[in-house]
Amino acid sequence: GQQLNQSPQSMFIQEGEDVSMNCTSSSIFNTWLWYKQDPGEGPVLLIALYKAGELTSNGRLTAQFGITRKDSFLNISASIPSDVGIYFCAGPMYGNKLVFGAGTILRVKS
Amino acid sequence: DAMVIQNPRYQVTQFGKPVTLSCSQTLNHNVMYWYQQKSSQAPKLLFHYYDKDFNNEADTPDNFQSRRPNTSFCFLDIRSPGLGDAAMYLCATSWGAYNEQFFGPGTRLTVL
Repeated sequence: GQQLNQSPQSMFIQEGEDVSMNCTSSSIFNTWLWYKQDPGEGPVLLIALYKAGELTSNGRLTAQFGITRKDSFLNISASIPSDVGIYFCAGPMYGNKLVFGAGTILRVKS
Repeated sequence: DAMVIQNPRYQVTQFGKPVTLSCSQTLNHNVMYWYQQKSSQAPKLLFHYYDKDFNNEADTPDNFQSRRPNTSFCFLDIRSPGLGDAAMYLCATSWGAYNEQFFGPGTRLTVL
């Protein structure tokens, strides 16, 4: 079935650094979603992208919908300890289903 | 604030003892989903309701059932929980053609 390849698998960065993660697919997507999941909680939608080339910001987060519609990236600027968590990219399959990337585990060293 | 609510947040059951998890939403979304998530993996879709229409994933065990008595509520029934069913169970909702799914906080199920 369709898969999203998300990288890196995990990151351990210094507080204040910028972070970048990305998601690629062999198939075209019409929507890209980025979620963050804190330990013991459900995923929270960070950014939704609907158009190829779209660049959208949400505070210190910026995400882009790739021109080929097969990739997306998420940047976090000036990371802080509360950025710790798992970040998932997701895209809709047929019907109302989402396919998820495997997640990027972010750990911040203060 | 509009939201997705899951109860309980933590559930402990015994091997083979039926358990029901509940989800309610104030978003008035017509699609509701149940996911299973294990240790830092991506959520795995079990089934979803599009309005009243039930859609089961092919690899969802028969041990898992769901009910949606009205737009706002959806239940996950695990008829005979096994040790392998210990996981986080997530409810999510969406509005039809719009593909953002909004998740509840989850229920952590422990099977003794």
